[in-house]
Amino acid sequence: DAGVTQSPTHLIKTRGQQVTLRCSPISGHKSVSWYQQVLGQGPQFIFQYYEKEERGRGNFPDRFSARQFPNYSSELNVNALLLGDSALYLCASSLTGRTEAFFGQGTRLTVV
Amino acid sequence: TQLLEQSPQFLSIQEGENLTVYCNSSSVFSSLQWYRQEPGEGPVLLVTVVTGGEVKKLKRLTFQFGDARKDSSLHITAAQPGDTGLYLCARGGGGSNYKLTFGKGTLLTVNP
Repeated sequence: DAGVTQSPTHLIKTRGQQVTLRCSPISGHKSVSWYQQVLGQGPQFIFQYYEKEERGRGNFPDRFSARQFPNYSSELNVNALLLGDSALYLCASSLTGRTEAFFGQGTRLTVV
Repeated sequence: TQLLEQSPQFLSIQEGENLTVYCNSSSVFSSLQWYRQEPGEGPVLLVTVVTGGEVKKLKRLTFQFGDARKDSSLHITAAQPGDTGLYLCARGGGGSNYKLTFGKGTLLTVNP
């Protein structure tokens, strides 16, 4: 069975640009969460979606947005990129959002 | 703000040695999870501990949850190079896996 898949795996963007990251959850999982992991830190919660509704939002600026589609896949959008947005962006899926979370391999975003 | 303190931050040992890493908080956990993250990958769940004083074993890994449910430890016996990785502890919000809050992690290197 396929695990959580994220695309792209690596991405380089320029300051001020916009980026879209994609995540496909494990088949049957209805919840997707997004985390940002900067070098030397643990993952930080950005968003959680369940059944296409936002269930929670972390302490991130409005430049960060996300959505979940009818097939439960999800996109994370970041506008007006800053150098500090350089990080590993992780997607995690779970059956309901209140059960074990399975992480994808992440998207490594570098902002130059 | 990281609510979980992990120590040590870095650990480099020789194959065959034993080690213990720690996760502490000033507040009580309803549950605590330990993850291992290898370079270029997302975190993988190792164990969830729920009951104060609980001890769980996973092959050469022993996880302990403090009696007061404010701290936890991970002990590895006879470490192997394959144990190399970032060990993260995390707590869920409201007693569930929703909005995981991670510590900064312990970066373990096991040298052959």
